[in-house]
Amino acid sequence: DAGVTQSPTHLIKTRGQHVTLRCSPISGHKSVSWYQQVLGQGPQFIFQYYEKEERGRGNFPDRFSARQFPNYSSELNVNALLLGDSALYLCASREGQGGQPQHFGDGTRLSIL
Amino acid sequence: ELKVEQNPLFLSMQEGKNYTIYCNYSTTSDRLYWYRQDPGKSLESLFVLLSNGAVKQEGRLMASLDTKARLSTLHITAAVHDLSATYFCAVERGTSYGKLTFGQGTILTVHP
Repeated sequence: DAGVTQSPTHLIKTRGQHVTLRCSPISGHKSVSWYQQVLGQGPQFIFQYYEKEERGRGNFPDRFSARQFPNYSSELNVNALLLGDSALYLCASREGQGGQPQHFGDGTRLSIL
Repeated sequence: ELKVEQNPLFLSMQEGKNYTIYCNYSTTSDRLYWYRQDPGKSLESLFVLLSNGAVKQEGRLMASLDTKARLSTLHITAAVHDLSATYFCAVERGTSYGKLTFGQGTILTVHP
């Protein structure tokens, strides 16, 4: 079975641009969460979507937004990119709402110049 | 605000030795997870601990949970080089489904 897939793998942007990151969850998984992992730190929660509704939001500015589609895939959008947005962005999916581990994709490495 | 702290942050071990990684969290939480991350790779789920006193074992790794002490441990038995990686604990509270709060990670290096 395919795992969580994310695209693109790597991305280079300049300050002020916007970016869209994509995530396809494991088949049958209705919950998708997004995390930002800065080098040397643990992942930081950004958003969670379940059944196409936002169910949680972390301490990130409004420049960050996301959505989930009817097929449960998801997009993370970041506007007005800053140097500090350089990080590995991870998507995780889970079948239900709790009690099982979240399964992570390989991430999108975003570099801001 | 929920805080999750791991120690040690860096662990250098000899093959064959035993050691324990500690994960403390600041507020009552319902679910605790352990993940492994290899350099440049994503996170791999190791254990899910759902109740006080839960103990899970897989190979040379054993995880336990004490919800009263707000403490989880990851014990490594007879370490081998293949266990070298970064280990994260993550806590999920109540109805905050899908929001994992991670520790800083423990970088484990196993030497021959």
